[in-house]
Amino acid sequence: QSVLTQAPSVSGTPGQRVTISCSGSSSNIGSKTVNWYQQLPGTAPKLLIYSSYQRPSGVPDRFSGSKSGTSASLAISGLQSEDEADYYCAAWDGSLKGVLFGGGTKLTVL
Amino acid sequence: QVQLQESGPGLVKPSQTLSLTCTVSSGSLRSGAHYWSWIRQRPGQGLEWIGFIYYSGTGFYNPSLKSRVTILVDTSKNQFSLELSSVTAADTAVYYCARLTTEDFYFDYWGQGTLVTVSS
Repeated sequence: QSVLTQAPSVSGTPGQRVTISCSGSSSNIGSKTVNWYQQLPGTAPKLLIYSSYQRPSGVPDRFSGSKSGTSASLAISGLQSEDEADYYCAAWDGSLKGVLFGGGTKLTVL
Repeated sequence: QVQLQESGPGLVKPSQTLSLTCTVSSGSLRSGAHYWSWIRQRPGQGLEWIGFIYYSGTGFYNPSLKSRVTILVDTSKNQFSLELSSVTAADTAVYYCARLTTEDFYFDYWGQGTLVTVSS
């Protein structure tokens, strides 16, 4: 049972901007950085955003992260069909003393 | 480019112990900047952190699995391993190994994952 809450699904059309939200608490997002992972169908997750805002080398700048208080968001602009995937937020939790994942959000490109 | 590869049986009987190994290439387990982790994904479900280990052998486990999980490291082989005891069908999942940074706790490299089915 995830303590990081994500909407199960979101959709958008090509070229559109979509936002995926992640809600936590003071023991995780409120005090630690947030990381985002993209999981394309049938593949392993891939790091998309780290330290709340940073993009690894090779990740397009269409992807951006933000954080405020105990919530975080992943924004995808200029939506493309290849962005259709599951997106997971994650953060260190001081109470769990471990890594928490959100339940995941399935992005559908219409 | 660091590479991780899981290996182990794809089928385990109920009540037995699941054992997997992760072999790390182009990177050293002795890196002080990383933990070495296991994550699983049940069919159709989200990601679940199982635990991680430092090269020194210090481990941290998900409290929900802690009583059944052991993670070990073998720096001479550049491998780390997962043992999950007393498995049930609920432990059927794709198991991933991954490298976790010590600074902001993100998984920067992942293995491709291996499906383990628990069934008699």
